[in-house]
Amino acid sequence: QVQLQESGPGLVKPSQTLSLTCNVSGGSITSGDYYWSWIRQTPGKGLEWIGHIYFSGSSYLNPSLKSRLTMSVDTSKNQFSLKLGSVTAADTAVYSCARNNYYYFDLWGRGTLVTVSS
Amino acid sequence: QSALTQPASVSGSPGQSITISCSGTSSDVGNSNYVSWHQQHPGKAPKLVLYDVTKRPSGVSNRFSGSKSGNTASLTISGLQAEDEADYYCCSYAGSSTWVFGGGTKLTVL
Repeated sequence: QVQLQESGPGLVKPSQTLSLTCNVSGGSITSGDYYWSWIRQTPGKGLEWIGHIYFSGSSYLNPSLKSRLTMSVDTSKNQFSLKLGSVTAADTAVYSCARNNYYYFDLWGRGTLVTVSS
Repeated sequence: QSALTQPASVSGSPGQSITISCSGTSSDVGNSNYVSWHQQHPGKAPKLVLYDVTKRPSGVSNRFSGSKSGNTASLTISGLQAEDEADYYCCSYAGSSTWVFGGGTKLTVL
């Protein structure tokens, strides 16, 4: 069955760029039925939808993060990625990738903790 | 502070029923047929247990049911089992390609 697995550095310095990749296995990221999302969870703010991307590369980003956020997709590797710039301690969170059929998230990765600290 | 409000914790004994509420506004829960619920066991990926307010994905027990009234959605688990002990999160489509989540509820099976 389809599985999602996040990867990337667990520690990022303030003002630097957080970069994460989600590997999709057991299915194709080019399935036209789905969008591919990032969601994060912080102790203070709970779960927050970050953005999503379609296999074509079109994306929709959370307006509160849009100015610092880039999402991309690599169909040859069956992966999609997240870059969040100018990070601060407030960006410390568990970042999860998820699949959504637009209206709901039907499959999640386990998540990866990213800590922003010098 | 989460956009949707859930109780921090609920508990129940095996065999009992519990209900978890998810309160939003007329901009999200109140105006959406797309409320979903996700179960997360420690160290595991969240799992979808309800979508479109009341629908169960294939493989999810019929002990899980959902409802909505006004700006509040609810998840009810009947015939509580030890394996139901987990964190539960609600999620609502809020229009314009945005989603909001609840802060999560820890369910303890006594």
